[in-house]
Amino acid sequence: EVQLVESGGGLVKPGGSLRLSCEVSGFTFSNAWMTWVRQAPGKGLEWVGRIKRKIDGETTDYAAPVKGRFTISRDDSKDTLYLQMNSLKTEDTAVYYCVIGVGLSEFDYWGQGTLVTVSS
Amino acid sequence: DIVMTQTPLSSPVTLGQPASISCRSSQSLVNGDGNTYLNWLQQRPGQPPRLLIYKISNRFSGVPDRFSGSGAGTDFTLKISRVEAEDVGVYYCMQGTQLPQTFGQGTRVEIK
Repeated sequence: EVQLVESGGGLVKPGGSLRLSCEVSGFTFSNAWMTWVRQAPGKGLEWVGRIKRKIDGETTDYAAPVKGRFTISRDDSKDTLYLQMNSLKTEDTAVYYCVIGVGLSEFDYWGQGTLVTVSS
Repeated sequence: DIVMTQTPLSSPVTLGQPASISCRSSQSLVNGDGNTYLNWLQQRPGQPPRLLIYKISNRFSGVPDRFSGSGAGTDFTLKISRVEAEDVGVYYCMQGTQLPQTFGQGTRVEIK
């Protein structure tokens, strides 16, 4: 069974930083493209960015609102995905979901999410 | 960016009756590889989203066959043949053809 467990969320002041983690089990992590999606309270879903697997260059893509502030990385030896968030804004407040593509789509399995609150 | 527009935004349904959600994209979702990367997601109350349908009409693992997807180009439909209580939630269409990947606003399915 594929499982994704996010951690690292919390309350941070505007301008601050936070690093989210997502540990994957039940699938060969190094074979997967990984994505972050967020959902502001009571709102819809927003794609944040993704990272391809190593054999595809481990390249990253980002949504315009986070480009230059957020960085996605992965550690295949730890089966873990990261989201480094800098220069946080109040509008970054959301539940952040880690998503794995195991071959059918890029959105095959979702984690439970971790809440990030940016507030003074 | 490709804009995904869902209708209706709310769908009150009687148990056992069908439900249908439409999704329209602002441009064709046919990718250069010939595939159409249109997915449907379900988000039950208090839960993360889960994948229901990928590439227009393929049911994901464990998804009941009362769910079906259809469409082509810019117009797509999710149908639930007979709504059950566990189907209550918000349904999203989304496109993975072009970056940034974008989602519809969501359609809330509730029981009358």
